[in-house]
Amino acid sequence: NAGVTQTPKFQVLKTGQSMTLQCAQDMNHNSMYWYRQDPGMGLRLIYYSASEGTTDKGEVPNGYNVSRLNKREFSLRLESAAPSQTSVYFCASSDMKNEKLFFGSGTQLSVL
Amino acid sequence: GESVGLHLPTLSVQEGDNSIINCAYSNSASDYFIWYKQESGKGPQFIIDIRSNMDKRQGQRVTVLLNKTVKHLSLQIAATQPGDSAVYFCAENAGGTSYGKLTFGQGTILTVHP
Repeated sequence: NAGVTQTPKFQVLKTGQSMTLQCAQDMNHNSMYWYRQDPGMGLRLIYYSASEGTTDKGEVPNGYNVSRLNKREFSLRLESAAPSQTSVYFCASSDMKNEKLFFGSGTQLSVL
Repeated sequence: GESVGLHLPTLSVQEGDNSIINCAYSNSASDYFIWYKQESGKGPQFIIDIRSNMDKRQGQRVTVLLNKTVKHLSLQIAATQPGDSAVYFCAENAGGTSYGKLTFGQGTILTVHP
């Protein structure tokens, strides 16, 4: 009963490097989301995908791109990492008929 | 209580006491509210939710109260246990085209002392 799985759990990048955060859910949910969480703050939405084949910007999309590869998978890409992108990243999914989000365990990213 | 833009509040209680965590929301159009629990190093975990057509909902040891007049949400935890120690977030969803896009508060740190 995996739920939402994120990889990697930890990552250190140098400024300017690129990387992709992977997310997969096995609950047959239509909607998937990427959030970032900074110390002492709540979660802020980066991008979301309401259904397979669609993606939309959230509150803080600058510096990120996403791909909804199929119904199960939603990836987040940093093309040129910056220190301001040091954060914990959470992927989540939800059923279209239920706003309740199920979260993965997070990716802790440090950009030096 | 928590509110977007303020310092992270804290609440310390003794094991067995009841806990009340408060949350103020700003969007009068919000029609769905959720409480999440986040333990250190983990993702947020769903606790309980409530829709705007209700003012109270109960779960196992938890109760959520919604006061739309003053835009206030609270989470009550009965007989608090050390395992309840975590950061608690409220979140709101304005519904409509913003389906599934939750706006989170900054969180409240709950510490339960044995």
